[in-house]
Amino acid sequence: QQPVQSPQAVILREGEDAVINCSSSKALYSVHWYRQKHGEAPVFLMILLKGGEQKGHEKISASFNEKKQQSSLYLTASQLSYSGTYFCGTEMGNTGGFKTIFGAGTRLFVKA
Amino acid sequence: SAVISQKPSRDICQRGTSLTIQCQVDSQVTMMFWYRQQPGQSLTLIATANQGSEATYESGFVIDKFPISRPNLTFSTLTVSNMSPEDSSIYLCSVAWTGGGEQYFGPGTRLTVT
Repeated sequence: QQPVQSPQAVILREGEDAVINCSSSKALYSVHWYRQKHGEAPVFLMILLKGGEQKGHEKISASFNEKKQQSSLYLTASQLSYSGTYFCGTEMGNTGGFKTIFGAGTRLFVKA
Repeated sequence: SAVISQKPSRDICQRGTSLTIQCQVDSQVTMMFWYRQQPGQSLTLIATANQGSEATYESGFVIDKFPISRPNLTFSTLTVSNMSPEDSSIYLCSVAWTGGGEQYFGPGTRLTVT
């Protein structure tokens, strides 16, 4: 079942922060986050495994609450290069055949 | 990470014909996946292709329409058979080294069926 992402779209000014949420109705093994720029392939950002961890990648970090089956991606002090569509991908592990189901995406536009 | 190439990068095909898309990786990988993405939409998994076993297809996708080969750990092909305009889309392959691990995507093949 496809995870639900919110918001669908967000417009930021350079330097502003944003949060993108991803929720699932199924128990999750892991959550992946990817960014896709127009006309390009999705690029892996980070993976969060079952265990409720939080990860960081420069000014982009994420959390995973396995009890709530939710993950959030935090973009701080946004840069123009952050523009693109962000997808979360959820995995149910071995019971799900180790396949990733992607959300509908959140379109992020950062303007100067 | 990995360097992944796909051929062709784009093609325009006639209804009723077939197209085979190639995916080449610069290192051996355990898992390869094929996705379809309509412009502005999410990624839809077509099938998982693991070397030495039959591909596993997702609901709505069948082997007769989308046959997949995985002859070794660095290469896979997806054929779109008996094409119709509804098959127009971007087809992407991706790879992962472990089940549930991060995926790296190829640049995609943009297919237009007329």
